[in-house]
Amino acid sequence: GNSVTQMEGPVTLSEEAFLTINCTYTATGYPSLFWYVQYPGEGLQLLLKATKADDKGSNKGFEATYRKETTSFHLEKGSVQVSDSAVYFCALSPVSGGSNYKLTFGKGTLLTVNP
Amino acid sequence: GAVVSQHPSWVICKSGTSVKIECRSLDFQATTMFWYRQFPKQSLMLMATSNEGSKATYEQGVEKDKFLINHASLTLSTLTVTSAHPEDSSFYICSANPRGTNEKLFFGSGTQLSVL
Repeated sequence: GNSVTQMEGPVTLSEEAFLTINCTYTATGYPSLFWYVQYPGEGLQLLLKATKADDKGSNKGFEATYRKETTSFHLEKGSVQVSDSAVYFCALSPVSGGSNYKLTFGKGTLLTVNP
Repeated sequence: GAVVSQHPSWVICKSGTSVKIECRSLDFQATTMFWYRQFPKQSLMLMATSNEGSKATYEQGVEKDKFLINHASLTLSTLTVTSAHPEDSSFYICSANPRGTNEKLFFGSGTQLSVL
């Protein structure tokens, strides 16, 4: 079956530090890949997505590239801010094209950014 | 942006009682809603897919008689945990697909259920 393995947290960084949260997946076919973010007290929100191999999703300074050869979708940001403190979830959908049907999630990584 | 309201945000109940969790789409119609469960330090696991006006589709291993899902309108789905036991203690999250798209998904903020 499909699965997502995500870097264990928590991750604590200082403001302006570089962030990487690793995510690898197992799936058949051509899944769509997502990063969701959950800020304290709020629901999950889509941060970025990639629908096919070599696609790069980007939003709010975050980037992730769909690497089929390494089955990875690592999240990166060059300079984090205190406001980026949240839980980040990597997810996949077995359906290509960006559909969020039947998402499989990773365990989530708590990021805390200190001033 | 679109908002999904989930209520209550936390609930404590005695073993053997039933608990209802509501998921409402506040500014859009949702033809499909999803219910997830997350145990501590584990992934969100899809429990069931709920379509308005029809029976929910449950994932393998999820007891449909224990987790009753009702999607009676385009803006409301409910999950009732019947005869709750301590092992049902978990974080439950709903999400909703706006009508006409399968590429947008909006999440509630979750319900922490603790069964004593």
